[in-house]
Parts: sequence; C-alpha cells; structure tokens
Amino acid sequence: QQQVKQSPQSLIVQKGGISIINCAYENTAFDYFPWYQQFPGKGPALLIAIRPDVSEKKEGRFTISFNKSAKQFSLHIMDSQPGDSATYFCAARTVFQGGKLIFGQGTELSVKP
Amino acid sequence: GAGVSQSPRYKVAKRGQDVALRCDPISGHVSLFWYQQALGQGPEFLTYFQNEAQLDKSGLPSDRFFAERPEGSVSTLKIQRTQQEDSAVYLCASSLARVGLRKDTEAFFGQGTRLTVV
Repeated sequence: QQQVKQSPQSLIVQKGGISIINCAYENTAFDYFPWYQQFPGKGPALLIAIRPDVSEKKEGRFTISFNKSAKQFSLHIMDSQPGDSATYFCAARTVFQGGKLIFGQGTELSVKP
Repeated sequence: GAGVSQSPRYKVAKRGQDVALRCDPISGHVSLFWYQQALGQGPEFLTYFQNEAQLDKSGLPSDRFFAERPEGSVSTLKIQRTQQEDSAVYLCASSLARVGLRKDTEAFFGQGTRLTVV
C-alpha cells in the first residue's frame, strides 16, 4: 500500500528554470520528510529535509514547502542546472522503531542547457 | 571507511542459486537498514537492525530472504533459491540514530548491489 505518492514521474526543465516536484502522504505517523537525489549507479543521497512543525526550509537553490493539513510537501529547485539532472525521491520517516523510510516513486529530472 | 560500502557491486545468479550481499556501515552507526529498489521505482524497506538486534523484518518479501548483523557492524542479506522477481538493486543504509534520539539524523546509503537473476 503506497503511503507516499510523488509526481510528476518525469520532468524536463530549461537551464535557469524552476523545477517543482510534489509529494503527498497518507499516514500521520511520520516525523521527518527528506528528499533524496540519486544519480545512475549510485545510492540515494540526502538533499534536504524538513520536520512537520516547519512550513518551509531553504538551503541554497533547494526549498521544501510543507503543508501539514493537506499532507503535502514539495521540492523547488531554483535556477536549475544540467548537473541537477538526476532522479529525485521524496520520503517520509516512520515514528516507530528505527524510523524506516517510505519512498515516493521518484521523479526523473532532466535540465536542458 | 568514509561511507557505507556494499559488495559485490554486481551479482548475476542463476535461478535457484543462493546469494549473499554484504554491507559495511559507517563506523559507529547504530541503525542499519536494507532496502530493495526495483528498476524505475523508489527503494522499499526490507529490514532494520539496531546494533545486532533485528527489530523489524516486516518488509522481507518471503522466507527466502534472511538478514543478519551478528556483531552489530557488518550485515549480510542472504537470498535463498533466487527467482527472477528478486532482480533489483539492494541498498544498505546506516545512521547514528537510535530509538528516541533520532531528531534529524541522516541515513547514509551505499551504492547498492545490483542483483540479476537469469
């Protein structure tokens, strides 16, 4: 049962544009919402993360917006660069035990020069 | 080592063969997770260890899958009698986090082992 839904599945953006990826979750027993970036042949790497008591977090060109009442959060990549081309995963960490991550299906981002 | 190390990077197994996948977590990391990532999909949780204790194995797809972490550091994921549907990338992640003290601790992933069952 999918608890984190991610869209779009793929995204093409021009260099300098804004990339926006959206996620929605179905379970309230989550305490941490990270975004991971994955390049081909590599493991996921943490990009930015937010706790549910915060509505927005910005780190450089990357911003997470979090809407607790709607159970939605999104990643905005400002001034997108060709080097940002990768697959992005949103995730939600469960409250229980060690905090396993529930991942979205992924968004393949391509930034055109 | 500086990061999570997994071996082998690639494994081709004949259907019915047993395989063992190794994970060396970051030194001192208490928590260790195994995930399965099918092609074009997000990682899916398999199992979780806190030190040597396997506290959650709810994601293991069948009794052919077995994981251990006997000394609380290196972990091995074993798949018996492999089948074609086992073909995937198996990811290991570790973190400093322990129950009750997680806050914003990050999970670090290895590069994964790509298993192909033919």
